[in-house]
This record gives sequence, structure tokens and C-alpha cells, in this order.
Amino acid sequence: DAGITQSPRYKITETGRQVTLMCHQTWSHSYMFWYRQDLGHGLRLIYYSAAADITDKGEVPDGYVVSRSKTENFPLTLESATRSQTSVYFCASSEGRGNTIYFGEGSWLTVV
Amino acid sequence: GNSVTQMEGPVTLSEEAFLTINCTYTATGYPSLFWYVQYPGEGLQLLLKATKADDKGSNKGFEATYRKETTSFHLEKGSVQVSDSAVYFCALSVGNTDKLIFGTGTRLQVFP
Repeated sequence: DAGITQSPRYKITETGRQVTLMCHQTWSHSYMFWYRQDLGHGLRLIYYSAAADITDKGEVPDGYVVSRSKTENFPLTLESATRSQTSVYFCASSEGRGNTIYFGEGSWLTVV
Repeated sequence: GNSVTQMEGPVTLSEEAFLTINCTYTATGYPSLFWYVQYPGEGLQLLLKATKADDKGSNKGFEATYRKETTSFHLEKGSVQVSDSAVYFCALSVGNTDKLIFGTGTRLQVFP
């Protein structure tokens, strides 16, 4: 039971570079989410997706792009990384309709 | 708008002490309320939830009661263990999208 996996787990990149964080879930959950975790802010929603080819902005979408061509994958791309995007990124998924949301183990991203 | 406020940490307790972590919320409509726990280096795990007023969620000795009159969902445990040391997040969701809005998290440190 692989669940939900994120890659890479740790990444250091330079300002201005494009970075993609991968998220894969094996449950065929309809909903997938990307959150970032920062000290003093808790977790904030970046983007979410209700199904393949359907995505919507969350609270802090600027500077990020997502896609969902397949139900099981939900990559997050930082088009031109900035230091303010240094954070821990969590992918999550759920069946929707009030069912439990499951989180991946996180991707630690440092932008230098 | 919708928001969650939880007490600042860290909360430092001795083993077998009583734990309370306060959480209050502001929401339009009728939210579902959650407590998530994050152990060091891991993602978030659902600890308990309540979906309507006066519901009590419970798991692993933790309890929280959905209080509509005080817009609160305080987390309690009668006797904490060292293994309970973690960061605890209060969260809510409104509507059918399952988007979670998190508080800033409260770190609990339990010493032998």
C-alpha cells in the first residue's frame, strides 16, 4: 500500500530556476491538494484539484503552476523560484465529500 | 472569511499530565472540524474530527468537542506520554470541496 508519495524529498535550487515537485497517489482519490508549511503560518493551500483536468487556486497560488492530466499525479511547478518559496510542501489527497484527507511526507525546498 | 486560531506553543508537560490545546474558529456556514498531528520529519495525520455541533471526536486518548456556541474545538488528553510529543494542528473545512484551513500549529513537548 504505497499511499501518497512525494519527490524529491529534499531539494536545493537557485533563484530563478524552475522546479517541479511530484506527487503520486495510488488510491485513485478524486481530490488532490498542495499545501506549503511555514513557521507562524501553519499550512496554507496553494492549489487543489477535484478531478483530472480540473484545478483551482487556493490561498497562495502566485508563482506556482499545477496540472492534473492523470488522476494519480499532481505535480507542482515553481516557474521561477524565489527565496520566499523556501518552505516545506505537502501534497494531500482525499475521496472528497468529507472523507479523510491523507498527506504525503513532505518536500523540503530551499531556494538560495 | 474562514479562519482558525489556536494557542501559541510550545506546550511543555511532564508525562501523565493533563493536556489542553485551545482552538477557536470563524466560519461561514457549518464547518467540519479536525485535529491533525505531525510527528517530527513526517507528514500530517488525522487525529480526530467532528462534523456537527456537540459531536465529540476521539482517538488514541485524545478528545475534542465541537462547541458551536463558543466556536471552539479544544483538544484534550487526560494523561500525556512522551510519544505524544508532536505538532498539533486544528483545521476546518466548509462545503464539499474538502479544502482544509489550518491554524498555525501548537508544538507539544512531553518530558519523562
